[in-house]
Amino acid sequence: DAKTTQPPSMDCAEGRAANLPCNHSTISGNEYVYWYRQIHSQGPQYIIHGLKNNETNEMASLIITEDRKSSTLILPHATLRDTAVYYCIVRVATSGTYKYIFGTGTRLKVLA
Amino acid sequence: GAGVSQTPSNKVTEKGKYVELRCDPISGHTALYWYRQSLGQGPEFLIYFQGTGAADDSGLPNDRFFAVRPEGSVSTLKIQRTERGDSAVYLCASSLTRDNQETQYFGPGTRLLVL
Repeated sequence: DAKTTQPPSMDCAEGRAANLPCNHSTISGNEYVYWYRQIHSQGPQYIIHGLKNNETNEMASLIITEDRKSSTLILPHATLRDTAVYYCIVRVATSGTYKYIFGTGTRLKVLA
Repeated sequence: GAGVSQTPSNKVTEKGKYVELRCDPISGHTALYWYRQSLGQGPEFLIYFQGTGAADDSGLPNDRFFAVRPEGSVSTLKIQRTERGDSAVYLCASSLTRDNQETQYFGPGTRLLVL
């Protein structure tokens, strides 16, 4: 079962910030939050990940609440090429390995 | 550098046939994962390799599915007696290490259609 819940779809105007929310209320203390996106007919592309601190890289920023029960991915200036399905994932440690448990993601449409 | 590659990109087969799907991970990556993605769904974990051994195969749906990684690099996912319900995109991912900074990098997938 997915450990995250996301809205099924969102629209964002080109050039504006896209803020994608994710709830992970059952997350454990050592479980990381990862974000990927998937453009049609391609494999998922890594965006960013974090544990408890906010993170920023060249693609996006990740804001994690203090209780770690939710997070927000921010694309600061969305472009048409950012139209994709965005997955918020909790990386789960099990049987000595790590698994990604994907949900159904948020379909982001960037509008011209 | 080169990313994860998967072949074939598309495979059409008939019900009951045997298929093999290949994954070439990023050079030096010791961990390799297979996922299956049905239409409109997120990827579902199938199996994980650390080196040559399958460390976790709990996601394989039944005994018709099998995967190998004999030399710790290339992996092959094998499906026997294919069924129409096996139609999906099969994704492979690899990562450098299992430590807390592991990030999986995905290939483009193989689209399998069972007629």
